[in-house]
Amino acid sequence: DTGVSQDPRHKITKRGQNVTFRCDPISEHNRLYWYRQTLGQGPEFLTYFQNEAQLEKSRLLSDRFSAERPKGSFSTLEIQRTEQGDSAMYLCASRHTETGGGKWYGYTFGSGTRLTVV
Amino acid sequence: KQEVTQIPAALSVPEGENLVLNCSFTDSAIYNLQWFRQDPGKGLTSLLLIQSSQREQTSGRLNASLDKSSGRSTLYIAASQPGDSATYLCAVSQPYNNDMRFGAGTRLTVKP
Repeated sequence: DTGVSQDPRHKITKRGQNVTFRCDPISEHNRLYWYRQTLGQGPEFLTYFQNEAQLEKSRLLSDRFSAERPKGSFSTLEIQRTEQGDSAMYLCASRHTETGGGKWYGYTFGSGTRLTVV
Repeated sequence: KQEVTQIPAALSVPEGENLVLNCSFTDSAIYNLQWFRQDPGKGLTSLLLIQSSQREQTSGRLNASLDKSSGRSTLYIAASQPGDSATYLCAVSQPYNNDMRFGAGTRLTVKP
């Protein structure tokens, strides 16, 4: 297990279509995060899971967005009825929540999925 | 609400120079601060992680410092190389949010 994997790397879709992205986290990490990044900006938080439970969703996550993490392993992010404003890089990250000696673990990111809505 | 700011937004230097990238945050109640590198169109690669109890971390030519009370961190890159050209992002983790807050990044260009 060498890191966080995301698939596909690139996706071009027509406005109104549905798209689904997949993220495979580092296997021993119990937390999984989705972020969105637009050009020239830092990543913005969308949602996160602890094991299979989705514990928080950002206001950025409209009702067209849904995320799942069945069995606490891989996660999917689906966007329904895509709009041009959804064009962005979608990043997945994972980390431990267990602290080691009072230290907090950092995040490991995947390579991202770049979505272009035309 | 935590705000993270990175200055400068862009920096261009000749090869061999030592340089400093700055990151500031408005709320000092953080768990840790992480510096990332991002190449164009790629994901984020973690460079250094500083716990809130630490003052600095070093990895090779990189040194990151943290002054939590003043809400500042710096990333020092020694003897810069063209391969260092990328966007550098800092991010903080906080007790009351379950996510990291990112700055917009500093785009670094190292000219041969």
